[in-house]
Amino acid sequence: GIQVEQSPPDLILQEGANSTLRCNFSDSVNNLQWFHQNPWGQLINLFYIPSGTKQNGRLSATTVATERYSLLYISSSQTTDSGVYFCAAAAGDTGRRALTFGSGTRLQVQP
Amino acid sequence: DVKVTQSSRYLVKRTGEKVFLECVQDMDHENMFWYRQDPGLGLRLIYFSYDVKMKEKGDIPEGYSVSREKKERFSLILESASTNQTSMYLCASSLRTSGRNEQFFGPGTRLTVL
Repeated sequence: GIQVEQSPPDLILQEGANSTLRCNFSDSVNNLQWFHQNPWGQLINLFYIPSGTKQNGRLSATTVATERYSLLYISSSQTTDSGVYFCAAAAGDTGRRALTFGSGTRLQVQP
Repeated sequence: DVKVTQSSRYLVKRTGEKVFLECVQDMDHENMFWYRQDPGLGLRLIYFSYDVKMKEKGDIPEGYSVSREKKERFSLILESASTNQTSMYLCASSLRTSGRNEQFFGPGTRLTVL
């Protein structure tokens, strides 16, 4: 099945700094999502982005499907951005609809 | 807004008990999923349903069964709970159509089996 790899595994930032999280995937995709997992364990949808670029406030994401990677940008980071960020993908041509998750990037934003 | 709800946030059961985890979505989604999340192992798919009464095994179906009698409800059943099923269980739903198949997750159920 599809492999999803995220980097870096851990990231520590000062408040106000910018960061880029990367997600590499091994196959063509029909679904690529970024999530933030809150302290209570719920997965919060950030972006649904099988291709192209989207922006939502201080967050933006780009997926280059032909090169099989996606990037999540966080600008002017705040302490509330802390937590684990997951990339997840579903392969385009296998018929499997479920997401395969990367291992996550644990972000800590310090005041 | 899509809403996915799960019957319990926290659950404590004893070894050997039959456990039911319920998931309900309100957006008429065809697809529903059950995942579990464990430290060091990430999120893994247990079962998937693409229509009423239809199901497919995921990566780790052993020890679990599912039921989908109505489109909005997908139940995960632990036939005889064991301590290695202590985990965080996450339900999700999505439309079937490619290009519109964003998955939405419920708040999760933290199950402890003693």
